[in-house]
Amino acid sequence: DIQMTQSPSSLSASVGDRVTITCRASQTISTYLNWYQQKPGKAPNLLIYAASSLQSGVPSRFSGSGSGTDFTLTISSLQPEDFATYYCQQSYNTLGLTFGGGTKVEIK
Amino acid sequence: QVTLKESGPVLVKPTETLTLTCTVSGFSLNTATMGVSWIRQPPGKALEWLAHIFSNDEKTYKKSLKRRLTISKDTSKSQVVLTMTDMDPVDTATYYCARINFVEPNFFDPWGQGTLVTVSS
Repeated sequence: DIQMTQSPSSLSASVGDRVTITCRASQTISTYLNWYQQKPGKAPNLLIYAASSLQSGVPSRFSGSGSGTDFTLTISSLQPEDFATYYCQQSYNTLGLTFGGGTKVEIK
Repeated sequence: QVTLKESGPVLVKPTETLTLTCTVSGFSLNTATMGVSWIRQPPGKALEWLAHIFSNDEKTYKKSLKRRLTISKDTSKSQVVLTMTDMDPVDTATYYCARINFVEPNFFDPWGQGTLVTVSS
């Protein structure tokens, strides 16, 4: 299986901060990379697909970039509702879909 | 509006078989480009994809759990069923179903609300 490694595992930030989360794949996955947001007690919600495409209805402060093995999720100006856990997920190998370990974004 | 909803037991005993049902609305399980996946999340841990099934009845399972999992669908009832045999306390998790695209790009959207399954004697 393709291993997905996220960093950091958690971070503290203030409202208005620019936040960057990194996801690294154990092998090249082109741009087959998705990002999800999960709030406590809720199901994950798709934010970004194909590395950089913003899902309909997702605020434009969220953006994704990268290809190959290294990917980034950026929140340009952190809002109170953005405090959550974020997961990357590779869709390169549909016979073994895998997620990263998650990055928890907490209030500083 | 596309929705998915999981149902099943809250508590199962070790060695028992778990049967979960995902009831979908807003799309058909016959839709050529769509499928349904099962994903689980142990308390406080990361997400783990388990299996998916597509309209042509193509099924794929997580390699390490393949011998324990069976996924099937009943198109007339708009339901996808996942069974997992020989349950163990480490299988305690919230189980989600989610729609998945059959064509690229593949992603999970939307998700059901999830159902927490506890494995304990």
